[in-house]
Amino acid sequence: EAQVTQNPRYLITVTGKKLTVTCSQNMNHEYMSWYRQDPGLGLRQIYYSMNVEVTDKGDVPEGYKVSRKEKRNFPLILESPSPNQTSLYFCASSLVGQGGYNEQFFGPGTRLTVL
Amino acid sequence: SQQGEEDPQALSIQEGENATMNCSYKTSINNLQWYRQNSGRGLVHLILIRSNEREKHSGRLRVTLDTSKKSSSLLITASRAADTASYLCATGGGSYIPTFGRGTSLIVHP
Repeated sequence: EAQVTQNPRYLITVTGKKLTVTCSQNMNHEYMSWYRQDPGLGLRQIYYSMNVEVTDKGDVPEGYKVSRKEKRNFPLILESPSPNQTSLYFCASSLVGQGGYNEQFFGPGTRLTVL
Repeated sequence: SQQGEEDPQALSIQEGENATMNCSYKTSINNLQWYRQNSGRGLVHLILIRSNEREKHSGRLRVTLDTSKKSSSLLITASRAADTASYLCATGGGSYIPTFGRGTSLIVHP
């Protein structure tokens, strides 16, 4: 089954404790991205990747890191989480087409709470 | 990047009625996509319309795009209770950073 998986689905942590949220897709998509969704602010892109070893900042990259060592995986790293990073996080992937990305497939989301 | 804006923010209808929601955007686009999101869950892609297309259909969905007005509409015909969800539009321009609206919350009463 074609899918994007994220782990963990729920995470409660404390300020400053490094964490990683994993994302994996099995569709051989070049494009992968991370979003955060906050009430009243909608869905905002954190980072995206066009292919292995190619990553770039989205709208709200501060406080986050990513890596793309394999095509299928795109982990999101919070080196020193802060309470303002409490949010619902989504990973997504798509094929790259003319004029940019195409239909994006989203993971189920990771609800992160930073105390 | 600037967000698309959906209108209305919330819509409540009876089963069997049609639901229309709109999306306006500010910059030129290559394509516009509509997604559905059930409460707190991942987004599901519904339909993509390219900038050179004016109308597209998929099952009970009809999407129109007016690039001169920088707006799109999503029509769901014969709504069902299972259509209850938020509907978001995402615009794609020359960059690879899509901009999502905040969504229209649709409630379909059985």
